[in-house]
Amino acid sequence: DTGVSQDPRHKITKRGQNVTFRCDPISEHNRLYWYRQTLGQGPEFLTYFQNEAQLEKSRLLSDRFSAERPKGSFSTLEIQRTEQGDSAMYLCASSLGGLDQHFGDGTRLSIL
Amino acid sequence: DQQVKQNSPSLSVQEGRISILNCDYTNSMFDYFLWYKKYPAEGPTFLISISSIKDKNEDGRFTVFLNKSAKHLSLHIVPSQPGDSAVYFCAASGNQFYFGTGTSLTVIP
Repeated sequence: DTGVSQDPRHKITKRGQNVTFRCDPISEHNRLYWYRQTLGQGPEFLTYFQNEAQLEKSRLLSDRFSAERPKGSFSTLEIQRTEQGDSAMYLCASSLGGLDQHFGDGTRLSIL
Repeated sequence: DQQVKQNSPSLSVQEGRISILNCDYTNSMFDYFLWYKKYPAEGPTFLISISSIKDKNEDGRFTVFLNKSAKHLSLHIVPSQPGDSAVYFCAASGNQFYFGTGTSLTVIP
């Protein structure tokens, strides 16, 4: 069990640029979740996949955000035309159909 | 619209004593509740959960209590140890997961 891996750990970009984050879940886990966390807040649910199917999307996930899990393994989260308010920690988690999600250490996004 | 609330941002407890972390929720349709622990620069780690059909679940030093009528749950840690110092998040499961804002626990040696 190598745990959930997220890449990159930190991303600094200029406002208006596109960014893409990657998450590699624990290999046998069929569910994969994306969250966003800002300072002083808990993780906010963005979306989740069961295998390659995206089953739930939060209303927080504006049309600038898109997530994919093409083969039911790794997932990517893309943010287009980044804004200052997108600065946050983006967390990925996976689970084997159960409730105990295993989180990665996150990607910290800073928008200049 | 905060559906899960942790009203105490911080808590300090002496080593060996009991730590009680509280959480309130608004949606009576939540079916599971969970507690996560988070150290700095790491992702949250699952600690313990409870089904909405139960009122208590125990795992070693950790016990979670659920009061459905009050829409309240609590996490008891006894005895508290310095290594328990971390931020604790409660979460509720419905169509998605809802997390509270966290309580920072400091266990004083």
